[in-house]
Amino acid sequence: DQQVKQNSPSLSVQEGRISILNCDYTNSMFDYFLWYKKYPAEGPTFLISISSIKDKNEDGRFTVFLNKSAKHLSLHIVPSQPGDSAVYFCAATFTGGGNKLTFGTGTQLKVEL
Amino acid sequence: EAGVTQFPSHSVIEKGQTVTLRCDPISGHDNLYWYRRVMGKEIKFLLHFVKESKQDESGMPNNRFLAERTGGTYSTLKVQPAELEDSGVYFCASSQRTVQETQYFGPGTRLLVL
Repeated sequence: DQQVKQNSPSLSVQEGRISILNCDYTNSMFDYFLWYKKYPAEGPTFLISISSIKDKNEDGRFTVFLNKSAKHLSLHIVPSQPGDSAVYFCAATFTGGGNKLTFGTGTQLKVEL
Repeated sequence: EAGVTQFPSHSVIEKGQTVTLRCDPISGHDNLYWYRRVMGKEIKFLLHFVKESKQDESGMPNNRFLAERTGGTYSTLKVQPAELEDSGVYFCASSQRTVQETQYFGPGTRLLVL
């Protein structure tokens, strides 16, 4: 049973436009969400996170939105750059869970010139 | 400050052999996690150490997998005997705390069992 789902395995966006990556979760206990970026042959790199007490967190070109009622979060990248091309993983954890992360299957983002 | 390091970067072994993976967490991080990604699927939790103690090993696939963290510093993950389905990328991560804390990942060890 997959508790964190990324239903789009791939996304292609033009340079300068907005990239929107989506993530859905089923476990109501999740209260902290993270996005990681992964390049080939490297480990996941932390990008941005959001606590369930917030509905938005912004860091430079990256913004994460959380809709708790819909159990949905999204990552917006504006403007998209070619260096953003990578696999993006959504992850979730809950207080009392030892901080172990439950990951989605990832979305391959390709930013084209 | 050095990040999480893992050794080896790649390992190719035959079914039935033994392999030991090593992880060195970020200095000062009490929490160490092992994850695995199989066949391009999601990254799955294996286990969690707090210092030298196993806090949660609910994700360990079976008793062919043995993890240790002697002295609360580096950790090893041994697979004995290895099976074909153990192939994948094994990631290690570390964090300072266990509540709403970012985990920092190593580059992974790519294991191929033939």
